[in-house]
Order: sequence, then C-alpha cells, then structure tokens
Amino acid sequence: EPEVTQTPSHQVTQMGQEVILRCVPISNHLYFYWYRQILGQKVEFLVSFYNNEISEKSEIFDDQFSVERPDGSNFTLKIRSTKLEDSAMYFCASRQIPGGPRAGELFFGEGSRLTVL
Amino acid sequence: GENVEQHPSTLSVQEGDSAVIKCTYSDSASNYFPWYKQELGKGPQLIIDIRSNVGEKKDQRIAVTLNKTAKHFSLHITETQPEDSAVYFCAATLAGGTSYGKLTFGQGTILTVHP
Repeated sequence: EPEVTQTPSHQVTQMGQEVILRCVPISNHLYFYWYRQILGQKVEFLVSFYNNEISEKSEIFDDQFSVERPDGSNFTLKIRSTKLEDSAMYFCASRQIPGGPRAGELFFGEGSRLTVL
Repeated sequence: GENVEQHPSTLSVQEGDSAVIKCTYSDSASNYFPWYKQELGKGPQLIIDIRSNVGEKKDQRIAVTLNKTAKHFSLHITETQPEDSAVYFCAATLAGGTSYGKLTFGQGTILTVHP
C-alpha cells in the first residue's frame, strides 16, 4: 500500500533554532496536512494545504510556522525559532481528490519527533 | 469549534472478549467520524469510518455506531486478539472541501488485550 514518508524520525534541537520537517505524501494526493501530538495529549490539527496554498490553519500555527511544497513531491513544515513547547510528534498526512474510493481517508506518516532543549 | 471527548482512556480485556470505546462530539454540523488505530512508533491508521447518514457500519470484527441526536459514536471490537492492542482515536469533522481533513481527535484509548 502507498504510504506517507517523513524525515527525520527524530530531531533534537536547541531552543531558538530553525527546524524543517519533511514529508513525501502519496503521489496522487492533492490535500496535505500537518498535525502534532504533544506527549500524553490529543493529536491536534495544525494546517491544511491545497493547490499550493494554506487552506486552513489552527491557532497553534502562528507566524513561527510555515509550510511549503517546494518541488511537487515534498511537503515541509518549518518552525522558525523553536520553543520548548514545540516539542512534540509531528504527523504529516495526505488525502486524495474527492470522489475517489478512499476520498475521505487521511493517510498519516509515522511522524517526526521533535525535542527542543 | 468542535470538541471530541473519548472514554475510557485505558481499556484492558482478555483475548476473545469485546471492547467498546465511546466518543461524544459537540458540533452538530460534523458529519464524518473516522476511527484510527496507532501502533507503537507508527502514525494513526484508519480502521473504520462512518458518515452521518448511516447509523451503523461493520467490517469483520469492527463496528461503529452513531447516534446523531445524542452526538455520540462508539467503536466495537469483537473477539479481540493481542494484535488489537494499540491506541485508538476517534475523530470528527465536517466533510466537504478542505475542512474534510481538519479532524478533531479524541484523547485516545490505550487498549490492551491479554492472551
């Protein structure tokens, strides 16, 4: 089965540093998402991306965060200046176009664990 | 916005028993309710979903029921097996356009099936 891949699996960084998390969504998918899960808490929506622009974002997704699809295959999440509270597991997800057999299903990657010291 | 509450937070059953996990949601506009299973070190994986025009859906040992009036939905796993041990998340969203992917998740239930 096709899958969403994420790199790195774990990144440790110092507070204030920039971090880029990378995702390769499933090739025929057009909708892309980032979620995060702070240890012991709910999985939370961060941002959705379609047609090369953000379609929706949560209040968590402030000016320190940005997303990009630089080359038609990768989908990245950048945190400009990391804070301690950014430590979490970050999940990328993708979804195919509406109307397909699995149109409603989000396919999640295995996550990138970010630890901010 | 939508809020989803999930219970119990942990559930321990013997192999062969049934397991039930319950969720409530707050936004009556939500119409798509997926359930995800997350195994250790992996991302959430969809196991079953239900739309608001359906009251029940079944897939082998897994079933989901939805009560729109009461705004709650439940996951039922019958004849549990040790490999069912995982964290289970319910979620809710309003299907349609890009909002389809903006899932609001419950807190998760750690299911342990003892052999």
